[in-house]
Amino acid sequence: AQKVTQAQTEISVVEKEDVTLDCVYETRDTTYYLFWYKQPPSGELVFLIRRNSFDEQNEISGRYSWNFQKSTSSFNFTITASQVVDSAVYFCALSWAGGTSYGKLTFGQGTILTVHP
Amino acid sequence: GAVVSQHPSWVICKSGTSVKIECRSLDFQATTMFWYRQFPKQSLMLMATSNEGSKATYEQGVEKDKFLINHASLTLSTLTVTSAHPEDSSFYICSARVSGTRETQYFGPGTRLLVL
Repeated sequence: AQKVTQAQTEISVVEKEDVTLDCVYETRDTTYYLFWYKQPPSGELVFLIRRNSFDEQNEISGRYSWNFQKSTSSFNFTITASQVVDSAVYFCALSWAGGTSYGKLTFGQGTILTVHP
Repeated sequence: GAVVSQHPSWVICKSGTSVKIECRSLDFQATTMFWYRQFPKQSLMLMATSNEGSKATYEQGVEKDKFLINHASLTLSTLTVTSAHPEDSSFYICSARVSGTRETQYFGPGTRLLVL
């Protein structure tokens, strides 16, 4: 069975602070994908990143960065110099990469991020 | 980029009625689509996998007779909530996997259902 845990239910920061959202996953599969999605109040899921289990390189995209550590089964997300527009619910998700199961995402509980001006 | 649409975006209905939600891939073919449900302030839970031309596969605990899924074409999957009750009120989101790929999928904007 797959499981994704986002231990932080809510995080509140002041604009320009850096913030890290934690994600820990469990899977018996050797090949899998990890994702982060942003869900603003409108409800639509905004894709942020997909990471293959064989690629442990960290990634940076603008103010966003991701730290994938297979040894600790973690895929943490950092926002540098946070902005009010970053306020949203962020979901970490996991998908098995084999067969026809790709696309069946197991989501974490989500972290509500509030950035105050 | 690829777009997935859902219709309607929101719907209010009376208890006991049926509601149909459409999920369309607008510029690509999707052999497989997925339906998720999200209750307020909760996470997304996979309900079922919709396969074009065959029966849907439901996750454990999801009533197949209550949530009818039809995937009649490569660009359209429908979810019908039959005899809806207030506890079915939720946010329903579909995703579509691009045919011929294993890695590419897109989410729809979601449909908010309120059953009175």
